[in-house]
Amino acid sequence: GAGVSQSPSNKVTEKGKDVELRCDPISGHTALYWYRQRLGQGLEFLIYFQGNSAPDKSGLPSDRFSAERTGESVSTLTIQRTQQEDSAVYLCASSLELAQYNEQFFGPGTRLTVL
Amino acid sequence: AQSVTQLGSHVSVSEGALVLLRCNYSSSVPPYLFWYVQYPNQGLQLLLKYTTGATLVKGINGFEAEFKKSETSFHLTKPSAHMSDAAEYFCAVRGNNNDMRFGAGTRLTVKP
Repeated sequence: GAGVSQSPSNKVTEKGKDVELRCDPISGHTALYWYRQRLGQGLEFLIYFQGNSAPDKSGLPSDRFSAERTGESVSTLTIQRTQQEDSAVYLCASSLELAQYNEQFFGPGTRLTVL
Repeated sequence: AQSVTQLGSHVSVSEGALVLLRCNYSSSVPPYLFWYVQYPNQGLQLLLKYTTGATLVKGINGFEAEFKKSETSFHLTKPSAHMSDAAEYFCAVRGNNNDMRFGAGTRLTVKP
């Protein structure tokens, strides 16, 4: 079946603009995660969703970052008033449920460049 | 809090040589450990994972890793490197609060 998809694949924006990134998880996966990968660095956890439970927002770097998820489907990550340090690849992953041993399946990422 | 440290941001081996990528973890609870691979311009793909049971875990593409609690390590190995193994490798740990923490990654280069 289809894997995790993300759009757009690339986004170039000007400093101060808002951006919205989209993630379509694998159908039936109740858990969804967002990560940020800066150039040459590892993945930085941002937020996860599990079903209808309140999301864990503990990884969001500032209040300019927010994310929503509609039920167990699409999620959007919004960055307001973008800054140059927001430039990174934003990765989305999903898994069957929020269990520690479950594999996370990753999308190809959205490369965000803030000029 | 759980964390992993990958020793060596860049490892270079010759084709046919042993691959050893090092990962040490820190966890206050029994860890679940993962290795992911990221090929150029592609998403992350799971290589293998350790949950419970056998401490030597075999994954895809001939890779394996051994969980050593006494050394808090989960090093990734492959007996004979292939050119197609060139990629970025990430070690990760998950703990009881379900967060997943990745290492900074190790870029593997395979020389002909």
